[in-house]
Amino acid sequence: QSVLTQPPSVSGAPGQRVTISCTGSSSNIGARYDVHWYQQVPGTAPKLLIYGNTDRPSGVPDRFSGSKSGTSASLAITGLQAEDEADYYCQSYDTGLSGYVFGTGTKVTVL
Amino acid sequence: QVQLQESGPGLVKPSETLSLTCTVSGGSVSSHYWSWIRQPPGKGLEWIGYMHHSVRTNYNPSLKSRVTISIDTSKNQVSLKLSSVTAADTAVYYCARDPSNSYPYYYGLDVWGHGTTVTVSS
Repeated sequence: QSVLTQPPSVSGAPGQRVTISCTGSSSNIGARYDVHWYQQVPGTAPKLLIYGNTDRPSGVPDRFSGSKSGTSASLAITGLQAEDEADYYCQSYDTGLSGYVFGTGTKVTVL
Repeated sequence: QVQLQESGPGLVKPSETLSLTCTVSGGSVSSHYWSWIRQPPGKGLEWIGYMHHSVRTNYNPSLKSRVTISIDTSKNQVSLKLSSVTAADTAVYYCARDPSNSYPYYYGLDVWGHGTTVTVSS
């Protein structure tokens, strides 16, 4: 089954910058489909954080930014805050599935 | 403001059919893509399928033989049926909206329900 690969965990001190990678393939990210990012606080539903590779929905702080290159994408969090501690998932479209593919998820810990 | 609310039995017996409903308020199910996504305990997100009332319906190939998604415009609801369930189908089930009316590539899933927990057990 198609899947996007993320590091299981990343951590940083308050105020630091962390990045989360999302590696796909030629059937999803490499096929030029957009990448979207979600934040999920444990026990709650995912929340859209970044859409269309780089755009933030209204209300999402500009500390969150996204980028994409080739078959990979990244989410950066600058000025890390305690409230950023959550699980983060990337998502794209996959031609093999003719549907959505999600990343494996990354747990962000604020030290 | 669009809101989604999932509902259905929290416990389903093995081999039976799981049936869930997503009630949409503040918007119409006649537009946009409506998805079901699930998350097994302690695991990641898995796309089950999506439906656009007038464009297309697609299911995850790994579940396709057991899944049906339908839309009831009169009740403004999206439904999920998953047949022949096993313990591996135990998960939190979410409905979510992709705001596109063309292709489901561009905007992500911008509205999610709170999710409903389904346990498969005898």
